[in-house]
Parts: sequence; structure tokens; C-alpha cells
Amino acid sequence: EPEVTQTPSHQVTQMGQEVILRCVPISNHLYFYWYRQILGQKVEFLVSFYNNEISEKSEIFDDQFSVERPDGSNFTLKIRSTKLEDSAMYFCASSEDGGATGELFFGEGSRLTVL
Amino acid sequence: AQSVSQHNHHVILSEAASLELGCNYSYGGTVNLFWYVQYPGQHLQLLLKYFSGDPLVKGIKGFEAEFIKSKFSFNLRKPSVQWSDTAEYFCAVNHTTSGTYKYIFGTGTRLKVLA
Repeated sequence: EPEVTQTPSHQVTQMGQEVILRCVPISNHLYFYWYRQILGQKVEFLVSFYNNEISEKSEIFDDQFSVERPDGSNFTLKIRSTKLEDSAMYFCASSEDGGATGELFFGEGSRLTVL
Repeated sequence: AQSVSQHNHHVILSEAASLELGCNYSYGGTVNLFWYVQYPGQHLQLLLKYFSGDPLVKGIKGFEAEFIKSKFSFNLRKPSVQWSDTAEYFCAVNHTTSGTYKYIFGTGTRLKVLA
């Protein structure tokens, strides 16, 4: 069964450092997303990406965040200068049709700990 | 702003007990509704979804949910829970704005089933 894969599974970093989280969406999917879940809180939308550009982003997705699809398979989330409050589980998701008829397929998440 | 509310944050049940998890959303337009489950250490997986038609939706592992439009609700039910149902359950809604579908998740309900 096709799946979304994410690396790393866990990253520990110092405040102010840059972090790149990587995702390989399901191969025939066209819509890509990043969500995050701070421990004990809800799953929050960060950004959606389609046709090589951001289609929507939340207030959380400020100038410190960026996304990129550098090749035909990877979808990355970069945090330029991490803050303590960026500590969370980051989930990548992909969708075949952007939600019109289908579901989101999630990766297992990348846990980011900022010290 | 659109939101999804899950009223129960923690639920503890004995095996064979019946389960009902509440979910209400606030959005006046057409929505699609989902329940996702996150087993310990795993990624979010789709339990069931509602797009149209019969408001009583059956999903995997014996779960079902009923869409009541007048109450803006989509409660999840299972007649007899098992220990393996211990997980976190998220209600989600998606709707379209200018052709882009936006998913919004609730805060989640952590279910613990005692053997």
C-alpha cells in the first residue's frame, strides 16, 4: 500500500538553528500539506502546496517557514531559525484531488525538539 | 472562523462498553466530514468519511458516525470497544474556498480502553 514517508523521525536542535523536515508524498498525489501538533494540542494546519506553489497557509506559517518541492518526489519544510515554541510533531500529508472526494494520507510524523 | 469542537478530551472505557465521541463544527456551507485515528506511535489514519448521501456512515473496525446537519454534528460511535481501540481520535472537516479545500481538525479525544 502506498504511503507517505517522513524523515527524520525525531530531530533535536538548538534554538536559532535551521531545520529541514523531509517528506515523500504518495507518487500520484498532487496536493501536499504540512500540519503540526504541539504535545497535547490539536493538529494545526500550516500550509498546502499544489502545482509548485503554496495554495494556502495559516498564521503560524510566518517568514521563518518555507516549503519546497526540489525534485519530483520530495516535499520539504524548512524552519530558518527555530524557536522553543516550534517544538512539535510535524506531519506531512498528501492528497490525490485536494479534498474534493478523497482523504488526506499522513506520514508518521517528524518530532522536532528545540532546546 | 471555522472550527471543529470535540467535547471529550479523555475517555476511559472498559472493553465491550459502547463509545460515542462528540464532534461539532461551525461552518455554514457545504462540508465534508472525517474521523481520523492515531494509534500510539503511528500516523493519522482515516476511520471514515462523509461527503453526501446516507448520513449514517460506516467505517473500518466497526466504527460508524452520523451526520446531523441541523446540529452541525458528526459523532463517532462503536457499540463495543476493544483494548486495541486505545488511540487518539480526531474529527476533521474540509470545505472549499475558491476551489481550494481546507481541512480543519478538532483537538482530539484520547481514548483508553481497559482490558
